[in-house]
Amino acid sequence: GNSVTQMEGPVTLSEEAFLTINCTYTATGYPSLFWYVQYPGEGLQLLLKATKADDKGSNKGFEATYRKETTSFHLEKGSVQVSDSAVYFCTFSHGSSNTGKLIFGQGTTLQVKP
Amino acid sequence: DVKVTQSSRYLVKRTGEKVFLECVQDMDHENMFWYRQDPGLGLRLIYFSYDVKMKEKGDIPEGYSVSREKKERFSLILESASTNQTSMYLCASSFMGQGAFFGQGTRLTVV
Repeated sequence: GNSVTQMEGPVTLSEEAFLTINCTYTATGYPSLFWYVQYPGEGLQLLLKATKADDKGSNKGFEATYRKETTSFHLEKGSVQVSDSAVYFCTFSHGSSNTGKLIFGQGTTLQVKP
Repeated sequence: DVKVTQSSRYLVKRTGEKVFLECVQDMDHENMFWYRQDPGLGLRLIYFSYDVKMKEKGDIPEGYSVSREKKERFSLILESASTNQTSMYLCASSFMGQGAFFGQGTRLTVV
């Protein structure tokens, strides 16, 4: 069935370190892929998206590339900051293309230390 | 910017009470969703609606119902609250599969 697998957290990094959060998905067809971020005590915010193979989504220094051959959408950032500490969710939309119904991974907690 | 507003940030209710969680979006989106978020389980879809008065069950609809009388408002109803419904509830809206926009969440505690 449809599913998302994210690397387990928490991921603890020092400020300015390189970040990778792995994400792979199982889906039929050609889903759109998204990364969401949830800061403490808040709802989810859309961080970036990619709608077709080889697309690269980017925002706030974060990037992820839609790799259809490996069914992956890994999140990367070259230099993390303390303010990046949050929970990150990899998701994709499935079903009819215009419903926006999302399948979520379990989330990966990132802790960035000064 | 899209704004999705949930009526309460925190709510405490007693077992057996009927509970209403309200959600309003201001971008004329067709699709609206209710998720619950629990530690270690991620987000799970309870119900979604793709038009006024239209609804579809998600992955965990048991114990819940929904109402969508107007396009901008989507209500989640706990008919008889139980302690296992203590959770964070997140409402979202979307248009044409362009990702979903979430409210700030309602942390519900059932005692």
